[in-house]
Amino acid sequence: AQSVTQLDSHVSVSEGTPVLLRCNYSSSYSPSLFWYVQHPNKGLQLLLKYTSAATLVKGINGFEAEFKKSETSFHLTKPSAHMSDAAEYFCVVSDFTGGGNKLTFGTGTQLKVEL
Amino acid sequence: DTEVTQTPKHLVMGMTNKKSLKCEQHMGHRAMYWYKQKAKKPPELMFVYSYEKLSINESVPSRFSPECPNSSLLNLHLHALQPEDSALYLCASSQVPSLDGQGFYGYTFGSGTRLTVV
Repeated sequence: AQSVTQLDSHVSVSEGTPVLLRCNYSSSYSPSLFWYVQHPNKGLQLLLKYTSAATLVKGINGFEAEFKKSETSFHLTKPSAHMSDAAEYFCVVSDFTGGGNKLTFGTGTQLKVEL
Repeated sequence: DTEVTQTPKHLVMGMTNKKSLKCEQHMGHRAMYWYKQKAKKPPELMFVYSYEKLSINESVPSRFSPECPNSSLLNLHLHALQPEDSALYLCASSQVPSLDGQGFYGYTFGSGTRLTVV
């Protein structure tokens, strides 16, 4: 079975400084990986996805992530944080076994952005 | 239309009530999902439908009964729930990928139904 581990449950940054949210994955084959964001009392929005086409993936709102097979990592970054980035972020892996396709979520990272 | 629409947005029900959650999408997606999310936790998969057939049931109690009447609609029928079933219920849809995952580009989620069981 595939899994993801989000290394930080909370990250706090100042507005205008870089954001780094860390994610490591475990997979027996080439995974499909995603980052989703959830604002308070909202559903989940897809930020970006890695599906083996390119290791550096650009997403919405200035976020990007780099797939590093040697490190089994898929960290999310943004050069300059904005107050509106404050939310819960989930690293997610796809599993296509078992007769269907399902996403397995990491435990989430709460991003706080301070003035 | 690139949205998944869930109704109602909020629902309060007693333990003896029967209610239904509804999910609708018009993106031509043939896979639809129900997830349950407790506060401060990640979503947990409940059910997967592929081509209107139930393909995954993650050992969900029978008081939750899914239904996929057509390719655009997904329902979750609720009966005799417990207070611990109170949560955000999220619906999602996607293309159905091939077995190696090609063609899978992630889910589109609805904004959820906030369920409170009293």
